[in-house]
Amino acid sequence: KNEVEQSPQNLTAQEGEFITINCSYSVGISALHWLQQHPGGGIVSLFMLSSGKKKHGRLIATINIQEKHSSLHITASHPRDSAVYICAVSGGGSTLGRLYFGRGTQLTVWP
Amino acid sequence: DAGVIQSPRHEVTEMGQEVTLRCKPISGHDYLFWYRQTMMRGLELLIYFNNNVPIDDSGMPEDRFSAKMPNASFSTLKIQPSEPRDSAVYFCASSLTPPGTGINQPQHFGDGTRLSIL
Repeated sequence: KNEVEQSPQNLTAQEGEFITINCSYSVGISALHWLQQHPGGGIVSLFMLSSGKKKHGRLIATINIQEKHSSLHITASHPRDSAVYICAVSGGGSTLGRLYFGRGTQLTVWP
Repeated sequence: DAGVIQSPRHEVTEMGQEVTLRCKPISGHDYLFWYRQTMMRGLELLIYFNNNVPIDDSGMPEDRFSAKMPNASFSTLKIQPSEPRDSAVYFCASSLTPPGTGINQPQHFGDGTRLSIL
């Protein structure tokens, strides 16, 4: 069983739609990360959060520590949002420094 | 402001050959990470260094893999001998602090090295 599970694996949307990607984890964490990987392969860190909610432009990330669940929302989606979105968690305690990754969600936004 | 620099971007070689991947972290970042990404397993941590010292190498698949960080601005990941199942994209990343500590201190990833072993 993976420490981090994402859903859905693939997501297709029409431009302008509201997008939600979910992430559940089973280990104790010190923080949760949302990463974006574009078709060219580069990986960019979008958010790092340990509680509550963070917003950056049209992207919103939330985390519920009690439920071990996080969501990434994209409002007014655009074709340039097409990418793979990866959820990762930072281990706590003796596993501090390790990142556990979800398998990613492939998002395609059509014009 | 230069990011994490990896070389080469692409490497194609025959099985049995030695492969060396290189990484230059962002100046001042004390943590350096090597990851491997495959279709089957997604992203996996191979090893990470703190102040040039390997801290956690539990993700290194086997003895054919070795990583070094001779100084704060350079690290290598070697595979010897290489096998077709080593084909993957290898990412290097660096950060000021360990993941999950420090406010707004994310990892910065290089563009990756796409390795193909024939």
